[in-house]
Amino acid sequence: DGGITQSPKYLFRKEGQNVTLSCEQNLNHDAMYWYRQDPGQGLRLIYYSQIVNDFQKGDIAEGYSVSREKKESFPLTVTSAQKNPTAFYLCASSPGQGGPRYGYTFGSGTRLTVV
Amino acid sequence: QKEVEQNSGPLSVPEGAIASLNCTYSDRGSQSFFWYRQYSGKSPELIMSIYSNGDKEDGRFTAQLNKASQYVSLLIRDSQPSDSATYLCAVNWYGNKLVFGAGTILRVKS
Repeated sequence: DGGITQSPKYLFRKEGQNVTLSCEQNLNHDAMYWYRQDPGQGLRLIYYSQIVNDFQKGDIAEGYSVSREKKESFPLTVTSAQKNPTAFYLCASSPGQGGPRYGYTFGSGTRLTVV
Repeated sequence: QKEVEQNSGPLSVPEGAIASLNCTYSDRGSQSFFWYRQYSGKSPELIMSIYSNGDKEDGRFTAQLNKASQYVSLLIRDSQPSDSATYLCAVNWYGNKLVFGAGTILRVKS
């Protein structure tokens, strides 16, 4: 079945540590997105990519980095520069043509906690 | 700054009643409108999309769009306890990403 796989489901980060969240899709979608969700808040866009080897910053990109070397994969690195990384991270994808006109498909999310 | 506004709730309705969820958006150039349902601890699930003025029905769900008033709503008929969740409104402008509201918590009491 087609879908988006995020791993791990739970992740614990120590102070000063970089961690990488995985996102893989087999939907043949061109566009991929990373959102952050904090309790009681909506989804905030971190980064997005419309094509391989290209990506754009979203509203809250500071302290995060991404790569898009393959169409299927869009990993997110939470760096030590992100001072408040505890949140629920969601990866999403949408078809290339018309993009979000057809809505997103979301992965199951990664819950990151600083310890 | 493009904005999508929702009442955070919680909205409490008795089982079997109609739940009405509302959303307003700031930009008249908006093209596409979506409602997602999110259960606690889970990722959002697309339940309705609407692109033109009027009503769109799918089972117990009806999405309503009024572009002149910059307003989109979701009606849930015959509400069930399993409908208890957070409902996110999302809007797409002439771009490549969605902007989400903060969500409305719905509680259906049996």
